[in-house]
Amino acid sequence: EVQLVESGGGLAQPGGSLRLSCAASGFTFSSYWMSWVRQAPGKGLEWVANIKLDGSEKYYVDSVKGRFTISRDNAKNSLYLQMNSLRAEDTAVYYCATHSGYRFDYWGQGTLVTVSS
Amino acid sequence: QSALTQPASVSGSPGQSITISCTGTSSDVGGYNYVSWYQQHPGKAPKLMIYGVTNRPSGVSNRFSASKSGNTASLTISGLQAEDEADYYCTSYAGSGIHWVFGGGTKLTVL
Repeated sequence: EVQLVESGGGLAQPGGSLRLSCAASGFTFSSYWMSWVRQAPGKGLEWVANIKLDGSEKYYVDSVKGRFTISRDNAKNSLYLQMNSLRAEDTAVYYCATHSGYRFDYWGQGTLVTVSS
Repeated sequence: QSALTQPASVSGSPGQSITISCTGTSSDVGGYNYVSWYQQHPGKAPKLMIYGVTNRPSGVSNRFSASKSGNTASLTISGLQAEDEADYYCTSYAGSGIHWVFGGGTKLTVL
């Protein structure tokens, strides 16, 4: 059974940093692109970033470029999102998702990030 | 403002059919056959319901179907059941610059 478990969310001050993690199991992690997708409270979904199988390619939505960094450790079956220079508008539930064939196959339960002073 | 336009809400009675539209542009929905649909119950993670415009993943009921015409994709749910009440989101690949765009979501109410 595919499992994706996010962690690392919490309260951060504007301008602060957080590092999210996503632990994967039940599938061959190194065979999948991975994505982070976020959902602001009461709002819709927004793709944030994705990363190629071996980490050699990374892409970001414009609003987080230069502030967020996606990475992965295939030996640990883990995906990460380093978030710096956080803003109030980054407040959201952050989901990790497998990404294959131009679709988001499986999703974790999400971790809440709140940016507030 | 979301990149793809969906109706905010739709409703139907049990057993009826409903259709949710998802309108984009020639740079996303109209330009690629990479539209997918997701179901999200309150407080839960999204679930893939349709991919590649018309394809259902294993385990998804055949009451769910989808299509695309020009810049508009559509999700149809037939034989509505109470468990179908949820939010539905469309998404489309939008090319190597923007990558992925989502619709704003549609709340389905089963009356």
